[in-house]
Amino acid sequence: QKEVEQDPGPLSVPEGAIVSLNCTYSNSAFQYFMWYRQYSRKGPELLMYTYSSGNKEDGRFTAQVDKSSKYISLFIRDSQPSDSATYLCAPQYNNNDMRFGAGTRLTVKP
Amino acid sequence: GAVVSQHPSRVICKSGTSVKIECRSLDFQATTMFWYRQFPKQSLMLMATSNEGSKATYEQGVEKDKFLINHASLTLSTLTVTSAHPEDSSFYICSAVGGDRGNYEQYFGPGTRLTVT
Repeated sequence: QKEVEQDPGPLSVPEGAIVSLNCTYSNSAFQYFMWYRQYSRKGPELLMYTYSSGNKEDGRFTAQVDKSSKYISLFIRDSQPSDSATYLCAPQYNNNDMRFGAGTRLTVKP
Repeated sequence: GAVVSQHPSRVICKSGTSVKIECRSLDFQATTMFWYRQFPKQSLMLMATSNEGSKATYEQGVEKDKFLINHASLTLSTLTVTSAHPEDSSFYICSAVGGDRGNYEQYFGPGTRLTVT
């Protein structure tokens, strides 16, 4: 079983749609739950993260973690064409050891 | 936010030669740097973790004699791919932690695309 499972998509939505991106993980020792956005041929950039269970909102983005079900979500409201990228979930242990999901390729069509 | 640079951004080399990739934290001191490899349409795979002044810790399956990592200062780490082969062609990305964001946020460089002919 992979430590982190993420549907690679691709996912295509119209502009303005609400996007839901999800991951599951297997190791309950993960403490931080990061979301990265990666544009083609670029390094990942940190979008946001949560510590332990709960929600965190930043503008149009909301990250959710449910440690009881080992489920991670990222919601994007009012999606824009500029949101088109690959989104990677990355649970992290306390010691900076991070495991990436496969990444979901998102396209937002104008 | 913290800035991490990589050089070169892209390199083409012949099979059997060695290639050095630099990773620099430009506006903070990086206590730890990480090296990842990413194949097309795949996720990042951690290769090794390095702390300044100490030997790198390699992930299982990564040959430490082939991928030499040197973390000589708090702002510079280098990855040398020795005796490169076509199967080493990949996108290599470094990241760094440190600075005022604490030790749990990794900042990534823009990546280096290596092509071995």
